[in-house]
Amino acid sequence: GAVVSQHPSWVICKSGTSVKIECRSLDFQATTMFWYRQFPKQSLMLMATSNEGSKATYEQGVEKDKFLINHASLTLSTLTVTSAHPEDSSFYICSARDPPRVYEQYFGPGTRLTVT
Amino acid sequence: RKEVEQDPGPFNVPEGATVAFNCTYSNSASQSFFWYRQDCRKEPKLLMSVYSSGNEDGRFTAQLNRASQYISLLIRDSKLSDSATYLCVVPSHSGSARQLTFGSGTQLTVLP
Repeated sequence: GAVVSQHPSWVICKSGTSVKIECRSLDFQATTMFWYRQFPKQSLMLMATSNEGSKATYEQGVEKDKFLINHASLTLSTLTVTSAHPEDSSFYICSARDPPRVYEQYFGPGTRLTVT
Repeated sequence: RKEVEQDPGPFNVPEGATVAFNCTYSNSASQSFFWYRQDCRKEPKLLMSVYSSGNEDGRFTAQLNRASQYISLLIRDSKLSDSATYLCVVPSHSGSARQLTFGSGTQLTVLP
């Protein structure tokens, strides 16, 4: 149980384009999902908390107009990187909290974004 | 003081060795703790949860010292497959989202 999928697993895009990443909880309903970014040899940094049916909460320093988050259902959250630039190249990972387990999060396999 | 601090390593140990990692945290109110394992270019996977003084699962033992605010992870009889980065994770208490704060990770390489 507690499986989270992410799509695509990798994407290469040109500077200035937008990229959408999907995160799905496959066997449970997740009212809360989290989006992280991880640069090489660094740990995961929380970008935003995605709440079903309401606006996402962004961490300090993360531009909400650049990283658009939509959590339209209990099993799907999307992150859109708008007007991507090479410095946005990173490993983006989502996670979902299984409600009975207050703090445990289950991670998607990640999306490796390369902006050329 | 950082919220979660880990020795980055790397730890290079021979197969069969016992290795221990420490992690310190700053929020004395934290009640639960986690160790995640992350392989290169993969997502983190939950290894152990620690809700009381410690937890043991096979070759892995996690211990919690609340007075000193540190958590340790002990791996006995290391296997080649244990090579990975081990992340110490502590819940944040901001807001109601119950977020997690990740340490920078400790890299382990088990050598044949």
